[in-house]
Amino acid sequence: EIVLTQSPGTLSLAPGERATFSCRASQSVRSGSLAWFQQRPGQAPRLLIFGASTRATDVPDRFSGSGSGTDFTLSISRLEPEDFAVYYCQHYGRAPPYTFGQGTTLEIK
Amino acid sequence: EVQLVESGGGLVQPGGSLRLSCAASDVTFSNYWMHWVRQAPGKGLVWVSGIEGDGSRTDYADAVRDRFSISRDNSKNTVYLQMTSLRAEDTAVYYCTRLGARTTVTTVMRYFELWGRGTLVTVSS
Repeated sequence: EIVLTQSPGTLSLAPGERATFSCRASQSVRSGSLAWFQQRPGQAPRLLIFGASTRATDVPDRFSGSGSGTDFTLSISRLEPEDFAVYYCQHYGRAPPYTFGQGTTLEIK
Repeated sequence: EVQLVESGGGLVQPGGSLRLSCAASDVTFSNYWMHWVRQAPGKGLVWVSGIEGDGSRTDYADAVRDRFSISRDNSKNTVYLQMTSLRAEDTAVYYCTRLGARTTVTTVMRYFELWGRGTLVTVSS
């Protein structure tokens, strides 16, 4: 089973600043299998990035994903008030379980 | 716009059973793998189970194998999660999600592209 470790646990930033989230896999994974989700309080998760770097439909271009092998990154270039939420990475490999990272909380500083 | 709507959650005693449903407003429903993901109160997302488009293959997390059963009725555009022998640790919001895929020259990408709003299951005496 591949374990995904996200860091930091909590990120405190102000609107307009840049946010960077890390997701590290316990073993090398295909970039095509790595996705990022945003979850606002009381809402369902929302797909942001798939294939490590492809933005999902209607996702603003201030969101970007990168990485390969065991290290992946989600970046938000200029934080908007609606971006403060929890972010999860997830691996959908060739076989289950399809694991999620434990999440990073982005809070307003 | 395609939507997924879960139902069937509620309060159940330990050892009890519950059946969740997820209805899709999508005429191409049978083309997609469908999955259930749960989230315990204040915790992260955990994959639970998945079923192939024609129902021929099912997958389960170890924590629910032999207690939960996933199925689908493509004539009703609905996927089900039958939960038995429920435990306190099964308390969570259960989300239904559709698996998307995109193929390029070099790779195949798979991802949970569409999510329902979830249904809360509480296991307590």
